[in-house]
Amino acid sequence: SYVLTQPPSVSVAPGETATIICEGDNIGSKSIHWYHQKAGQAPVLVISDDSDRPSGIPERFSGSNSGNTATLTIRRVETGDEADYFCQVWDTDTDHPVFGGGTKMTVL
Amino acid sequence: EVQLVQSRTEVRKSGDSLKISCKASGYSFTTHWIGWVRQMPDKGLEWMAVIYPGDSDTRYNPTFQGQVTISADRSTTTAYLQWNTLKTSDRAMYYCVRSSSVVLNYFDSWGQGTLVTVSS
Repeated sequence: SYVLTQPPSVSVAPGETATIICEGDNIGSKSIHWYHQKAGQAPVLVISDDSDRPSGIPERFSGSNSGNTATLTIRRVETGDEADYFCQVWDTDTDHPVFGGGTKMTVL
Repeated sequence: EVQLVQSRTEVRKSGDSLKISCKASGYSFTTHWIGWVRQMPDKGLEWMAVIYPGDSDTRYNPTFQGQVTISADRSTTTAYLQWNTLKTSDRAMYYCVRSSSVVLNYFDSWGQGTLVTVSS
């Protein structure tokens, strides 16, 4: 089945830009979606279809997807952005969703 | 406003049966897939199953096929996940999720989670 690979962790200072990647075979041909999960809370969709932001998600959050790598970018990082971030695609071969293993973002 | 309200904490013993629920509101229940995602302690997200309440079409992750049963009640707009025989390895948080449309692609709404604790 399709595999999505994320780095286990990333650290960023407040006010800086965070980049979280998600790698998969020819992932650029699929639609990628991103969720964040703050400590003790349910996941929340932050980016859909590569780069669309749902209502209520700040413009600081953006996404891109090409080749074998999808990227979630968070500009002007705030302490409240500290969370686990998960990528997800729909695997058309198996007809079910696949999640990446998650990246824990720490705001120093 | 879309809301998915789940039963909260469930405490059972190994071998018990269990049915957890997810009450949906704020949208047309029959035109969106609804399903379940498992998160074991300090682990990632695993999709388990989805159901389309409009026609009761179901899809299962092969890992969970035969281990759980998903169902939905259109009259009460409630989805369920059922185990006939719980194992200690079923201890996890279970999230109810809604697909963004009639097409399965991503989950735009999540419930608050049901914590299932299973003792031996």
